[in-house]
Parts: sequence; C-alpha cells; structure tokens
Amino acid sequence: SQQGEEDPQALSIQEGENATMNCSYKTSINNLQWYRQNSGRGLVHLILIRSNEREKHSGRLRVTLDTSKKSSSLLITASRAADTASYFCATDASDYKLSFGAGTTVTVRA
Amino acid sequence: NAGVTQTPKFQVLKTGQSMTLQCAQDMNHNSMYWYRQDPGMGLRLIYYSASEGTTDKGEVPNGYNVSRLNKREFSLRLESAAPSQTSVYFCASSEDGPLSYNEQFFGPGTRLTVL
Repeated sequence: SQQGEEDPQALSIQEGENATMNCSYKTSINNLQWYRQNSGRGLVHLILIRSNEREKHSGRLRVTLDTSKKSSSLLITASRAADTASYFCATDASDYKLSFGAGTTVTVRA
Repeated sequence: NAGVTQTPKFQVLKTGQSMTLQCAQDMNHNSMYWYRQDPGMGLRLIYYSASEGTTDKGEVPNGYNVSRLNKREFSLRLESAAPSQTSVYFCASSEDGPLSYNEQFFGPGTRLTVL
C-alpha cells in the first residue's frame, strides 16, 4: 500500500509562477525523497530530506518537512516550461524500502 | 557512463508467453530494484536485490521472478504473462546502506503490453 500521497493530483501554472505540491504520509519515516518524471522517461531524484531536517534547498527547489503533521511540501520557484513533469514523493517504510505516491502532474504554460 | 539501461524499450506479448526484462548499471551500485508503474498508482516495488547474491520480494511479486546475475545485472522474468501485467517496468539502482537512505537511479523503462 502507498505510504505517501501527493496533493494536488494536477497543477497548471504560468511560466514564471511558483508551484507548490504537498505530500502526506501515514507512519514515521527516516527520510523522504522527491523525484521528477518527464513524460515517457524514468524518474530523476531531486532532493532527499532526513527526518531531523525541516527544510532543504536545491537551486529553484525548496522542500520542507513537518514530521508532527506527517507532511512535506515541494516548492518550485520561477517555473519554466522544462519543469512540466510529474513529481513524486517517496517515503521509507519500516523495512527501509521506498514507497512512492501517485504523483502530482505539473503543467507550465508559456 | 550510461547509468541504468533497460532492454527492450517496448514489448507486446500474448497471454501465457514468457519473457525476460534485462537491466544493467555501470555505477558499481550494490542495490537494484524492479518497479512497475500503472496509471494513477505511482511505482510499486516488485523485487529488489540489496547486494549481489540476494533477492527479496517487494509489494507485488506474484507472477514474477528475478535473477541477480552479477553486480551489474538484474533481470525480471514473467513466466506466463497475464493482461494484468500490462504496465511500464522500471529498473533502479542505489549505493550501499539501508535501502531508503540513498537516491535511486532509474532506467528509461520498458513498456509491456499483454494481449
């Protein structure tokens, strides 16, 4: 069963705007990862945030983690057409295997 | 440096046929994984291999077998394909350590249709 669930399922924004998506999970985690998948391609790792971290940045990406609410958010600032993709959060279950959510599909309009 | 490669890219099978999906990585990773991706369901782990010589079941192993041929290669076999196995299959690899503590590197996927 899926540990993490992303919200919203789909998001459409104008180029230059920010995009925010959320991930909620059910049980305690050691870390949480975000991945991107462009249409017809494999997943690409974006950021890993550990349970003792609250925020992490990578370029135009900002990830937050609130373990008390069992949730994480991914913010993409100043979006570009190339950011059009599906974004997945992945959390680890008790046996350290990753569990992926169903993803948020982001469309960036020119 | 090719990363993770998968063959074939596309395959159409008839119900009951068998086939093997091949995966290889050139990053000297110890851990390798097979996932399937179905619309609206994210990725589900089929089997994984934490190190050469070991394999373990994931969330949806029924109907599949795996072989960790060597450190580089991890194959997935469908012995008797069923329409429910129509999916996109991804192979991934990661470095040492607890499986979820490292990023996973994914191959481009194999689109399988079972008629």
